[in-house]
Amino acid sequence: NAGVTQTPKFQVLKTGQSMTLQCAQDMNHNSMYWYRQDPGMGLRLIYYSASEGTTDKGEVPNGYNVSRLNKREFSLRLESAAPSQTSVYFCASSKWDSTDTQYFGPGTRLTVL
Amino acid sequence: QQPVQSPQAVILREGEDAVINCSSSKALYSVHWYRQKHGEAPVFLMILLKGGEQKGHEKISASFNEKKQQSSLYLTASQLSYSGTYFCGTLGNTGKLIFGQGTTLQVKP
Repeated sequence: NAGVTQTPKFQVLKTGQSMTLQCAQDMNHNSMYWYRQDPGMGLRLIYYSASEGTTDKGEVPNGYNVSRLNKREFSLRLESAAPSQTSVYFCASSKWDSTDTQYFGPGTRLTVL
Repeated sequence: QQPVQSPQAVILREGEDAVINCSSSKALYSVHWYRQKHGEAPVFLMILLKGGEQKGHEKISASFNEKKQQSSLYLTASQLSYSGTYFCGTLGNTGKLIFGQGTTLQVKP
């Protein structure tokens, strides 16, 4: 099992460009999450999905959109990137919900110039 | 609201003990602990449930005081492999796991 995979690993964007971060899990988990990690801020929840077809906002959703394409895949889109979105983005999944262990992907390091 | 962790950083020698604290202003159902090594993804350590049930790691222990909305992670006889950043995540009535800002632990030989 690959667990949780994310693409790309690194990305540099210019202000105003758009991009989609991809995440997939092969553990048959129901819930998936997107976090961003900034120095001194810990992990902050952007969006999560409790099941296929459902999504909900986390702590810092502004500037992002998500799609739960199917049970395996959960993508994060930046429509118009801003320097404040420079961060490391982690995708995670859990079997049922937030009460369960979360398994994290390796992360995407995004720089917006 | 983000839980508060203390201390922010700690440096130990191998074999020494450490305690990391996590405090929330809201009522909690559970507290989750994760460790992240530099450049890697966070990895699950432990979940502490309301009512006292504890699930997780064999060599690291923790406590959860529901009334005070506080949890402490106890690292005893620390090893070099314990180095990393420790995050607590708190689960309240929003159903969302909210992480603290992290505590960086460095264990030296």
